[in-house]
Amino acid sequence: AQSVAQPEDQVNVAEGNPLTVKCTYSVSGNPYLFWYVQYPNRGLQFLLKYITGDNLVKGSYGFEAEFNKSQTSFHLKKPSALVSDSALYFCAVRDGANSGYALNFGKGTSLLVTP
Amino acid sequence: DGGITQSPKYLFRKEGQNVTLSCEQNLNHDAMYWYRQDPGQGLRLIYYSQIVNDFQKGDIAEGYSVSREKKESFPLTVTSAQKNPTAFYLCASSIEARYEQYFGPGTRLTVT
Repeated sequence: AQSVAQPEDQVNVAEGNPLTVKCTYSVSGNPYLFWYVQYPNRGLQFLLKYITGDNLVKGSYGFEAEFNKSQTSFHLKKPSALVSDSALYFCAVRDGANSGYALNFGKGTSLLVTP
Repeated sequence: DGGITQSPKYLFRKEGQNVTLSCEQNLNHDAMYWYRQDPGQGLRLIYYSQIVNDFQKGDIAEGYSVSREKKESFPLTVTSAQKNPTAFYLCASSIEARYEQYFGPGTRLTVT
């Protein structure tokens, strides 16, 4: 089965500094990778996806992610963090047709941006 | 969350009672999904449906049931057979199963 791992439970960064939230993947074949953000007691919001093409994917709210095939990684990045970016971030990989293309999620990384 | 509604937002039930969570979408999406979220465990797939009148079990379907009688609606019933039903339940949909999924606001179920 396709899977992702988020090695950090929490990431702390000061406002204005660059942020990185890490994700590694394990798939057979080409990966279809996604990043979502969740604010407290809310649903998940789609940020960006990698299907094919450029390794640097740009998404919503100034976020981007870098796909690295040799390192099997798909790290989420933002050049300058905002306090309002504080939330729970999920990396996900699309499963195959026999699972209805459902998403397999990492356990999430809590991002805290301090003023 | 736009286009996908879940109700109620909070639900409290006594052990042994069945409860049905609503999920409606007006996005004309074919595929719909139910996930369960527990602290520190990410999201886990309960059921999915790619077309009307067809649905499939996900990784943790035991103790749950669904129906897909209309394209817009995919209700989830948490039965008394579910051993640990207290969780945050999220419904999602996608235009086709291959594309990104969009999520509803969730229902927090507490069973005591």
